[in-house]
Amino acid sequence: QVQLVQSGAEMKRPGASMKISCKASGYMFTGYYIQWVRQAPGHALEWLGWINPYSSSTVYGREFQDRITLSRDTSINTVYLELTGLTSDDTAFYYCTRRGLSASMDLWGQGTLVTVSS
Amino acid sequence: DIQMTQSPTSLSASVGDRVTVTCRASQNVHNYLNWYQQKPGEAPKLLIYGASSLQGGVPSRFVGSGSGTDFTLTITSLQPDDFATYYCQQSYSTPQGFGPGTRVDVK
Repeated sequence: QVQLVQSGAEMKRPGASMKISCKASGYMFTGYYIQWVRQAPGHALEWLGWINPYSSSTVYGREFQDRITLSRDTSINTVYLELTGLTSDDTAFYYCTRRGLSASMDLWGQGTLVTVSS
Repeated sequence: DIQMTQSPTSLSASVGDRVTVTCRASQNVHNYLNWYQQKPGEAPKLLIYGASSLQGGVPSRFVGSGSGTDFTLTITSLQPDDFATYYCQQSYSTPQGFGPGTRVDVK
């Protein structure tokens, strides 16, 4: 079954870091970029960046550039999103997505809720 | 960065209605424009890619059109399963911005 399965919900304190995972199955992992998107409750979607699982090259959104890291482990078909210096503004559902035709997001993970609160 | 706007912000419609959502990009994105449907508590789902290509498994009542800066998503005959929020997204350049969404609810 073609799917992306994300790690579970996390609660973090302000200033902490998060690292969540996205495991791909049912397709060739290194053949498709993985993009990350987030959505604060009741808000629109926000693009964070992407990683090429084949080369591990990355592109990040400018506003996240200094505190985001995307990485991958090809042995277990998994991509990771790490975000440092968390604030309450980072409270959101985080989604990993597969980049398809026209650079669309044709496959989505179920989402990981990260809550940042003191 | 390319800014995306959508109109209307929300609309109320009945089953069987023809529904149109408009998306505008602040710069030319050619045909790198995608549409997604999101229901409460769920991840978004790709409906249309490349402005007018229907994603596999999506009903043909969803029609995308436009090029350049102005795009339209039309639902030709609204069905009960279509009450949701719809987002456009440009994939021409990074950051790949999304529109603010259009909520379609029951009249």
